[in-house]
Amino acid sequence: HSVLTQPPSVSGAPGQRVTISCTGNSSNIGAGYDVHWYQQLPGTAPKLLIYGDTNRPSGVPDRFSGSESGTSASLAITGLQAEDEADYYCQSYDHSLSGRYVFGTGTKVIVL
Amino acid sequence: VQLVQSGVEVKKPGSSVKVSCKASGGTFNIYAISWVRQAPGQGLEWMGGFMLTYGTANYAQKFQGRVTITADESTSTVYMELSSLRSEDTAVYYCATLTDVGSMDHWGQGTLVTVSS
Repeated sequence: HSVLTQPPSVSGAPGQRVTISCTGNSSNIGAGYDVHWYQQLPGTAPKLLIYGDTNRPSGVPDRFSGSESGTSASLAITGLQAEDEADYYCQSYDHSLSGRYVFGTGTKVIVL
Repeated sequence: VQLVQSGVEVKKPGSSVKVSCKASGGTFNIYAISWVRQAPGQGLEWMGGFMLTYGTANYAQKFQGRVTITADESTSTVYMELSSLRSEDTAVYYCATLTDVGSMDHWGQGTLVTVSS
């Protein structure tokens, strides 16, 4: 099972703001390891959305933003658009024996 | 950087599968290649990776002893071999470039591996 916990789904109307939480522990996010976020549209490979907690790769709209505090991180989407309906995953590094790179459980964003 | 993976595989339980991932365009910048799988309707799971700088592989504890990741520098291709296949290994397998901050910034198109008798 994943060591990073996300809500199964979040929803919002077009134009609204939604946030997705990613809760870890002292062996991953709480240990200071970077958090990264991915967007996965149906039937496609994941796409890097945020890296290093808060940074956007070139081409990613500034409607997407990341933050991190303690043992958790969050992804915010402002000005929600229909094309944002997708699955979102957080990812970090874990220094325990359970693995090295770990993903969150995933969150489905539903645009109402 | 573009990553192109090998095609669909159908395997019998107990057999092995070897999936390839060929990199092109700026391969000299690649720090490492990771392998991630996604079972039908499920989330993403890191399996292991190959650090091109050091020529070494590391694996998730769950797959230790069953997965082998190798690289052929002459063709810029990384391979992931999974043995003793069982039905639970049915999944789409992705390769992705791993950056030095731990993010996966370029992904292959995915390879569907179906394990069925």
